[in-house]
Amino acid sequence: DAGVIQSPRHEVTEMGQEVTLRCKPISGHDYLFWYRQTMMRGLELLIYFNNNVPIDDSGMPEDRFSAKMPNASFSNLKIQPSEPRDSAVYFCASSKTGRNYTFGSGTRLTVV
Amino acid sequence: GNSVTQMEGPVTLSEEAFLTINCTYTATGYPSLFWYVQYPGEGLQLLLKATKADDKGSNKGFEATYRKETTSFHLEKGSVQVSDSAVYFCALNYGGATNKLIFGTGTLLAVQP
Repeated sequence: DAGVIQSPRHEVTEMGQEVTLRCKPISGHDYLFWYRQTMMRGLELLIYFNNNVPIDDSGMPEDRFSAKMPNASFSNLKIQPSEPRDSAVYFCASSKTGRNYTFGSGTRLTVV
Repeated sequence: GNSVTQMEGPVTLSEEAFLTINCTYTATGYPSLFWYVQYPGEGLQLLLKATKADDKGSNKGFEATYRKETTSFHLEKGSVQVSDSAVYFCALNYGGATNKLIFGTGTLLAVQP
């Protein structure tokens, strides 16, 4: 199994640009989670899906952030427009049971 | 609300020293408890877990016991190695309708040869 696959690994973009982060969960996993990691705030849950349906998006910081899961094998997280304070490592995780998570390697986003 | 509190790092130890990283939680009911490890430049990996009181999770020489009376889940290892250097996260999860992992802030462990 290839695990949870995230792309790109690194993204550098200018303030105001749209950023799209991608995630392919493990086949057969019904849950998908997006986390953000920063030094100041640690790991924050942004949103999670169950069977492709968003269940809890209370962690999405503001309207500039959106996430979709059009099918069981793909999710994306978009930031539009991006700001320097969005710089962080964004992790995707998937789970079959909702308890044991498998994390991807993350996308390091830098907004300049 | 539900939360996890970890001891602040960094924790710096010599090789073969004994490790304890404290973790306490605040929650109603009976959450499952986890320790995750993050090596430099990588995502988090599940290290061990316990799903009910008095359960002991163990893996790779690490252990943690779910103590309901003290709401704790301290991580221990008898003899650390340089390769154990990483960030360790304590987390809790209820599953069901509120199915999400709540993480502590993480504790950086640095093991020196």
